[in-house]
Amino acid sequence: KNQVEQSPQSLIILEGKNCTLQCNYTVSPFSNLRWYKQDTGRGPVSLTIMTFSENTKSNGRYTATLDADTKQSSLHITASQLSDSASYICVVSATGNTGKLIFGQGTTLQVKP
Amino acid sequence: DTEVTQTPKHLVMGMTNKKSLKCEQHMGHRAMYWYKQKAKKPPELMFVYSYEKLSINESVPSRFSPECPNSSLLNLHLHALQPEDSALYLCASSQNSGTEAFFGQGTRLTVV
Repeated sequence: KNQVEQSPQSLIILEGKNCTLQCNYTVSPFSNLRWYKQDTGRGPVSLTIMTFSENTKSNGRYTATLDADTKQSSLHITASQLSDSASYICVVSATGNTGKLIFGQGTTLQVKP
Repeated sequence: DTEVTQTPKHLVMGMTNKKSLKCEQHMGHRAMYWYKQKAKKPPELMFVYSYEKLSINESVPSRFSPECPNSSLLNLHLHALQPEDSALYLCASSQNSGTEAFFGQGTRLTVV
């Protein structure tokens, strides 16, 4: 069964600190993996999209990694800001799935001053 | 322009009302999607349109009726909804079904 598991479920950190969010997936055949940031009541905003051959991709203070062998991905946030408080969702797409994305349950991050 | 625009942002409707949600994109994307999202849950796929044709219907009740008038527009017609249909409705688009999806800001729907 195609699944995406994220950990931790929630996280609280102090402003300026770094953090790492995890994503494990069992989607096959794998096409790409995406990380989205979603503020409460708003639509998800894409942070990164990675294909099988990509190990690391950065977007400002966000760095995503992908290990296609172990089917794991991480999202590292550097020097966190209050505006980073949001839900971070890992989403995996399977090859030939005609548009179906498999969503993780998300990690809720709270950055405190 | 990397925007997916959804209107209205908020909608309150009675169970006997008929209303429509609208979604527009001008990125030349040929795949468009409707998702439903309940609080603290990930989005759930409802419909996928590929090249203006309905390609996926995730067993959505007939009180939700999608329409794709052209490659830039996607509508979701609502009729006789139930209070449990209250949710954030998200529209998304992508170049094709396998590429990066861009989401709109959503319509917060409340059924009373």
